[in-house]
Amino acid sequence: DSGVTQTPKHLITATGQRVTLRCSPRSGDLSVYWYQQSLDQGLQFLIQYYNGEERAKGNILERFSAQQFPDLHSELNLSSLELGDSALYFCASSVEGTTRNEQFFGPGTRLTVL
Amino acid sequence: GENVEQHPSTLSVQEGDSAVIKCTYSDSASNYFPWYKQELGKRPQLIIDIRSNVGEKKDQRIAVTLNKTAKHFSLHITETQPEDSAVYFCAALRNGAGSYQLTFGKGTKLSVIP
Repeated sequence: DSGVTQTPKHLITATGQRVTLRCSPRSGDLSVYWYQQSLDQGLQFLIQYYNGEERAKGNILERFSAQQFPDLHSELNLSSLELGDSALYFCASSVEGTTRNEQFFGPGTRLTVL
Repeated sequence: GENVEQHPSTLSVQEGDSAVIKCTYSDSASNYFPWYKQELGKRPQLIIDIRSNVGEKKDQRIAVTLNKTAKHFSLHITETQPEDSAVYFCAALRNGAGSYQLTFGKGTKLSVIP
């Protein structure tokens, strides 16, 4: 167990809908990262938040957005869902700093868009 | 941005043999290189990492080497066991203005044949 939690574990929804994925980082970690893993694909970085502020953006679609709250949990919002958005969504957290770069992953949320 | 190439995409070895997975990166400013193991349907787990000021690191049967000049790093697993079967991902991280974005390779599916 990495200490990172994600809810829900599974999500099944229809095209055009909107969903929210939730992540709680490890105790003490200030950074949260979101990744998308599609079938037979590697891990695609979506976005990073540090202590409530956006730090980096990767291949995140405009239909997707995220935020990190004062208690450091984060939510990833996916809207106008398409079949191609079906994937595993992972969040990871890290302490962050010049020497502490390790990212620890949560169990993931499997999103199925029908 | 950073680009990480990983080879091979699949690897089969006999139990007890060694396995080597190689990665190259493009951004010379990258300074942290973790390796993750992912079992089917589960979260990526950090198994070993190396920083750019170190050439080699070992942890029991797992070792990682880094050649900064050539911009490549490798994972070595000795005395492989069936439980080593999984997908392995390499990654490279570039620190930039507080952004700690990991770029992953596409993964290597390792099968250890008993």
